[in-house]
Amino acid sequence: GDSVTQMEGPVTLSEEAFLTINCTYTATGYPSLFWYVQYPGEGLQLLLKATKADDKGSNKGFEATYRKETTSFHLEKGSVQVSDSAVYFCALVPNFGNEKLTFGTGTRLTIIP
Amino acid sequence: KAGVTQTPRYLIKTRGQQVTLSCSPISGHRSVSWYQQTPGQGLQFLFEYFSETQRNKGNFPGRFSGRQFSNSRSEMNVSTLELGDSALYLCASSLLPGLDTDTQYFGPGTRLTVL
Repeated sequence: GDSVTQMEGPVTLSEEAFLTINCTYTATGYPSLFWYVQYPGEGLQLLLKATKADDKGSNKGFEATYRKETTSFHLEKGSVQVSDSAVYFCALVPNFGNEKLTFGTGTRLTIIP
Repeated sequence: KAGVTQTPRYLIKTRGQQVTLSCSPISGHRSVSWYQQTPGQGLQFLFEYFSETQRNKGNFPGRFSGRQFSNSRSEMNVSTLELGDSALYLCASSLLPGLDTDTQYFGPGTRLTVL
């Protein structure tokens, strides 16, 4: 079945450091890929998405590129801020007509000043 | 435009009781999905509704049920509550399933505690 494997956390970085959170997936067909972020005590917020191979999603300085050849969708940010501290989830929707999001386990990110 | 709203935000029940959670999607959105989030199992899909019909169902027992109304609002019900049902229940809405606009937007969740 479909699955998403995320980098184990927690991840602790200093402010202005470079961030990479790895995400790989297994799915039949051509899934859409997403990164969601969850701040303490809140629901999930869509961070970025990509719907086809080589698409790059970007938002708030975060980027991720849909790599079909490596089945990956790694999240990157050049300079993190304390406000980026949250849990990040990689997810996929397998194909059109199926709304079931399959999530990774989440990566808790803490940024220290 | 208002986001996805869920009520109540917090709920405490005892084992054996039943509970109903409500979700109002973003205006114009017609697809609603429900997810359960627990520390042990992470985020798991419960079910999805579109046009008052359940289109997809996750691997949960029959104690978990849901419905969608003609105005796209949705409810989920859990009967005979167990301790393991304690979780954050998240609702997500999307414009229409099966299109590029299938991005799901989440509400803040309902935190259910079963004692």
